[in-house]
Amino acid sequence: KQEVTQIPAALSVPEGENLVLNCSFTDSAIYNLQWFRQDPGKGLTSLLLIQSSQREQTSGRLNASLDKSSGRSTLYIAASQPGDSATYLCAVRVADSWGKFQFGAGTQVVVTP
Amino acid sequence: GAGVSQSPSNKVTEKGKDVELRCDPISGHTALYWYRQSLGQGLEFLIYFQGNSAPDKSGLPSDRFSAERTGGSVSTLTIQRTQQEDSAVYLCASRTGGGNTIYFGEGSWLTVV
Repeated sequence: KQEVTQIPAALSVPEGENLVLNCSFTDSAIYNLQWFRQDPGKGLTSLLLIQSSQREQTSGRLNASLDKSSGRSTLYIAASQPGDSATYLCAVRVADSWGKFQFGAGTQVVVTP
Repeated sequence: GAGVSQSPSNKVTEKGKDVELRCDPISGHTALYWYRQSLGQGLEFLIYFQGNSAPDKSGLPSDRFSAERTGGSVSTLTIQRTQQEDSAVYLCASRTGGGNTIYFGEGSWLTVV
């Protein structure tokens, strides 16, 4: 059974610092991995999607890497801003399923001004 | 529609009553998911639809939970004889048949008292 873990569970940084969020998964048989942002009381917003054949994906200040063989993905957020404060979740699309996504518990990020 | 729409956004019900939660996916999205997020917990997969059929309903926690989808569009999640442990946010997501990115609604907040 695929299990997804995110460490740390919570993170607080001063504005301007780079953020590094980690996601690990136990089964390397995945179609893709997706990073989401969730604001309090809201649904999830997709940030980046990395296909299983890709090593990284970039969008603005965000960069996500994928090492499928070691079961790891890292989300980097450069020059953090208070508006980046949210919970960040990663999800893997399980390869042998009907399209099921398995989520980590998330990392709660606070960026202080 | 422009995004995934869920209703009601908030529902308070008495223990033992039945509730229906509705999801209207993005137009043209054939894949639809229901997830549950309890307070402070990660996302728990409930059921996946491809068109009107549900090839993966492995996450439904008990036979009190059921879901259907009609016309390849709107889906309804029904919880019978609600219990306090059913209190959670119920999130719906959709994607295109060949697509990878999943898009979430804002969720239905269910409180059983």
